[in-house]
Amino acid sequence: AQSVTQLGSHVSVSEGALVLLRCNYSSSVPPYLFWYVQYPNQGLQLLLKYTSAATLVKGINGFEAEFKKSETSFHLTKPSAHMSDAAEYFCAVTLSNDYKLSFGAGTTVTVRA
Amino acid sequence: EAGVAQSPRYKIIEKRQSVAFWCNPISGHATLYWYQQILGQGPKLLIQFQNNGVVDDSQLPKDRFSAERLKGVDSTLKIQPAKLEDSAVYLCASSQNGGRTEAFFGQGTRLTVV
Repeated sequence: AQSVTQLGSHVSVSEGALVLLRCNYSSSVPPYLFWYVQYPNQGLQLLLKYTSAATLVKGINGFEAEFKKSETSFHLTKPSAHMSDAAEYFCAVTLSNDYKLSFGAGTTVTVRA
Repeated sequence: EAGVAQSPRYKIIEKRQSVAFWCNPISGHATLYWYQQILGQGPKLLIQFQNNGVVDDSQLPKDRFSAERLKGVDSTLKIQPAKLEDSAVYLCASSQNGGRTEAFFGQGTRLTVV
């Protein structure tokens, strides 16, 4: 069975500070990993994805994530938070031998001025 | 390119009533998903179609929920009869070919059951 766990349901950062959102997956086969962002009353939008190429993936809006197989992690970072980064962030996984896309519980980010 | 279209955006019904949601995916996308997102939780996959066929519906409450995808394009999700715990946002998404490709989401339908 595939699963993805996001550590921390809420993260609060100061504007200009580092944003770090944690995601761990459980899989016995190579995964495809995604980060999506959801703004209030909107659908989800892809930030970035890992598909077995480079382990460091750069996405939109200055976000990046690093795939670490040894730690079964795919943490999302942004060096300097902006007020517009306040949103909910979801980690998602698909196994290489499967078609299903499953999501974590999400992390809400608030940015303090 | 037009995005995923969903309607209605909002719906309020009484428990035991029925309701239907409609989704038009991005043209050419083989995969269509319906997710249920309860407030404060991540999206839960209800059903996934690959063209006309169902790939996964293991978390669909089949005694009350049904879904179909006509001619591998549009899809409808129905709830009959609705329960209070069905109050959620129902998200439709589509992708070119399965979960390995980017999923594009509609804005969702917010259902309130009273």
